[in-house]
Amino acid sequence: KQEVTQIPAALSVPEGENLVLNCSFTDSAIYNLQWFRQDPGKGLTSLLLIQSSQREQTSGRLNASLDKSSGRSTLYIAASQPGDSATYLCAVITGANSKLTFGKGITLSVRP
Amino acid sequence: GAGVSQSPSNKVTEKGKDVELRCDPISGHTALYWYRQSLGQGLEFLIYFQGNSAPDKSGLPSDRFSAERTGGSVSTLTIQRTQQEDSAVYLCASRAGPKSYEQYFGPGTRLTVT
Repeated sequence: KQEVTQIPAALSVPEGENLVLNCSFTDSAIYNLQWFRQDPGKGLTSLLLIQSSQREQTSGRLNASLDKSSGRSTLYIAASQPGDSATYLCAVITGANSKLTFGKGITLSVRP
Repeated sequence: GAGVSQSPSNKVTEKGKDVELRCDPISGHTALYWYRQSLGQGLEFLIYFQGNSAPDKSGLPSDRFSAERTGGSVSTLTIQRTQQEDSAVYLCASRAGPKSYEQYFGPGTRLTVT
């Protein structure tokens, strides 16, 4: 059974800091990996999707990498801002149905 | 609308009552998913639809839970004889089709069973 782990559960950093959020998964036979952002009381917003044949994806200040063989992904946030404060969820896609298996998320707080 | 919509946004019900949650996917999206987000459990898959068929119902927690999709569009998740442990946020997502991997989520329905 696929398990996705995100550690730590919470992180607090000062504004302007570059930071890395980690995600690990137990079964390397994934199709894709997707990073989401969730604001309190809201749904999920897709940030980046990395296909299994790719090693990284970039969008603005965000960069996500994928190492399938080691079962790891990282989300790099450059020059963090208070508006980046949210919960970041990592999810892997396995199987023909493309259902997502989620980690429990990392709650990020960026202090002004 | 442009995105996935869900209704109601909030639902409070008494234990033992039945509830129906609705999802309107992005127009033209053939795949639809239901997930549940509860404290301590994180986000869990419930059921997957391709068109009106549900080839994967493996995440439904009990036979009190059922879902249907009609016209390849709207889906309804029904919970019968609700229990307090059913309290959670129920999220719906849609995906364009077989060659598209990205899932787009609705805002969710927060269900509280008293």
